[in-house]
This record gives sequence, C-alpha cells and structure tokens, in this order.
Amino acid sequence: KNQVEQSPQSLIILEGKNCTLQCNYTVSPFSNLRWYKQDTGRGPVSLTIMTFSENTKSNGRYTATLDADTKQSSLHITASQLSDSASYICVVTRYSSASKIIFGSGTRLSIRP
Amino acid sequence: EPEVTQTPSHQVTQMGQEVILRCVPISNHLYFYWYRQILGQKVEFLVSFYNNEISEKSEIFDDQFSVERPDGSNFTLKIRSTKLEDSAMYFCASRDRDTLGETQYFGPGTRLLVL
Repeated sequence: KNQVEQSPQSLIILEGKNCTLQCNYTVSPFSNLRWYKQDTGRGPVSLTIMTFSENTKSNGRYTATLDADTKQSSLHITASQLSDSASYICVVTRYSSASKIIFGSGTRLSIRP
Repeated sequence: EPEVTQTPSHQVTQMGQEVILRCVPISNHLYFYWYRQILGQKVEFLVSFYNNEISEKSEIFDDQFSVERPDGSNFTLKIRSTKLEDSAMYFCASRDRDTLGETQYFGPGTRLLVL
C-alpha cells in the first residue's frame, strides 16, 4: 500500500535551536519527494523537491535529505525562528502519474521564544 | 509574485445544497488540481485537470463532484448535494508544466462547513 508516514507528530523547540523531521514512505514506483510548509488555515508552500538521484537539497535554513534505498527523508531546520511554527508535510509522487501524489499527516512544529 | 487565489474564503451551507468553489490559477499555468483537507487530517488529492478535461481523479471524487474551467481564468469545483462529511478545507493548485520536479502552487483554500 502506498503510504507516507511522518514523525514526530508534533515537536516543540526553543527559538534558535535546530530540529530534524522524519518521513518514511512505501510509495512505488517513486518519482519525487517534496517537503511543504503549511501555516494554520493556509495552503501548503513548497520548500524542497528531490528526485531519485538527489541525496540532499537546501533552501535557506531548510535542508532535506533523501535515501531512496531505505525510503527515508528528513527535513533539517537550522537556527529556528518563531515564523517556522507550522505543519511540515512530506509528499511523495508516484512515477506512474504526475497527479498521483500522497501526503503525509505532517509534523506540527512549534517554536517557543 | 503571481499566486493562486480562491473564493470564497469561507462557505457555510445546508446539507443537500449545491456549492461552487472558485479558483483563479496562476495565469500561464496549464495543469490544475483540487485537494481537500478534513480538519485534523492529511491533505487528499481529488482531481487533476488539463486541456479542458479531467486527467485523473481519486475515489473521493464521485458523481457529486464536478470541475469546470468556464473561461480562461477560473477553475471551479462544484459539489451538487453537499453532505456533512464534505466539511473540509478545499485547496486549488496549479502548475505550468507536467515535468518531474515542477512545483504545484497552492491557493489559500476555502473552508466549507456543511450543517
């Protein structure tokens, strides 16, 4: 079954600290993996996208990694800011269709001052 | 920066009524999508649309749902006879090319409440 599992469900850290969010998937055949940031009541915003051959991708303080062998990805946030408080969603697309995308449940990140 | 817009931002309706959710995708985009997110749950794909026809739909997208691009700018989702379980946030998204790595841009969503 094609699934995307994320951990932890929620995370609270102090401003300025780093954190790492995890994503495991069983989607096959694999096309690409994206990390989205979703503020409460807003649409998801793309942070990074990685295809099969890419191991790491950075976007400012966000760094995503992908291990296609173990089907795991992580999103590392450096020097967190209050504005990083949001849900972070891992999304995997199946190769068979550009529209067949599967969302994880997200990690709810709260940054405390 | 161009963005996807959606109207209304909130909609309250009675069970059994028809609702139309509207989206204006980014102007040069060709591929359009609707998603929904029930409160506290993950985002779910509903339908994709290209070249004035549905290219793919999920099992959620049954006969109660329809999509239309009535003119060159709007992309609508119609729910014919709403049910309580249709209460959710509905997101529209668009992108300009159907290539690997092409980003979908999401609108801010319409929160639908069916009473």
